[in-house]
Amino acid sequence: GNSVTQMEGPVTLSEEAFLTINCTYTATGYPSLFWYVQYPGEGLQLLLKATKADDKGSNKGFEATYRKETTSFHLEKGSVQVSDSAVYFCALSDLLNTGNQFYFGTGTSLTVIP
Amino acid sequence: DTAVSQTPKYLVTQMGNDKSIKCEQNLGHDTMYWYKQDSKKFLKIMFSYNNKELIINETVPNRFSPKSPDKAHLNLHINSLELGDSAVYFCASSQIQQGQNNEQFFGPGTRLTVL
Repeated sequence: GNSVTQMEGPVTLSEEAFLTINCTYTATGYPSLFWYVQYPGEGLQLLLKATKADDKGSNKGFEATYRKETTSFHLEKGSVQVSDSAVYFCALSDLLNTGNQFYFGTGTSLTVIP
Repeated sequence: DTAVSQTPKYLVTQMGNDKSIKCEQNLGHDTMYWYKQDSKKFLKIMFSYNNKELIINETVPNRFSPKSPDKAHLNLHINSLELGDSAVYFCASSQIQQGQNNEQFFGPGTRLTVL
């Protein structure tokens, strides 16, 4: 079956530190992979996505590369800001096998301190 | 201009009451979803409708009943509310197209508190 495993939080970093949030997946087919961000009191927003192996998604300084060999989609940012404090969700969608059902990780809470 | 909207944003009610949460999307999508997010931020899919037909119905109590009057609306009705129903409920929508990368668009959430 399909599933997503994320590193547990919470994560606390100082401003300008390097961020990595690990995400690995299990899928029967060839899924698309996503990172969503949830700011306090808001709904989830798409941060970036990748649809096939070796694709790199990027947005707002965040990057993640679809690694089929390690079944991973780790989120990285070179220099975090206080405004990046949020909960980050890794997700997969396997259109051919399970339609547009999304499989979300448990979320990783990030706090960036000045 | 809001893509996916939900009402109300906050809902406080007593145990045993019946309540509804409404969701509307103006993106022209054919698929809508309800998720429940608990206090630890864990997201659980509850229901999904495609063109007004139920396609995902996860294990939720039958006190929860979704209703889709048209493609742009998916409402959630909850009977006999219990303390454990307290959570944030998110509506989402997407367009299912084969071969396409179909992100889901989320509403702002409805925080339900059962006293």
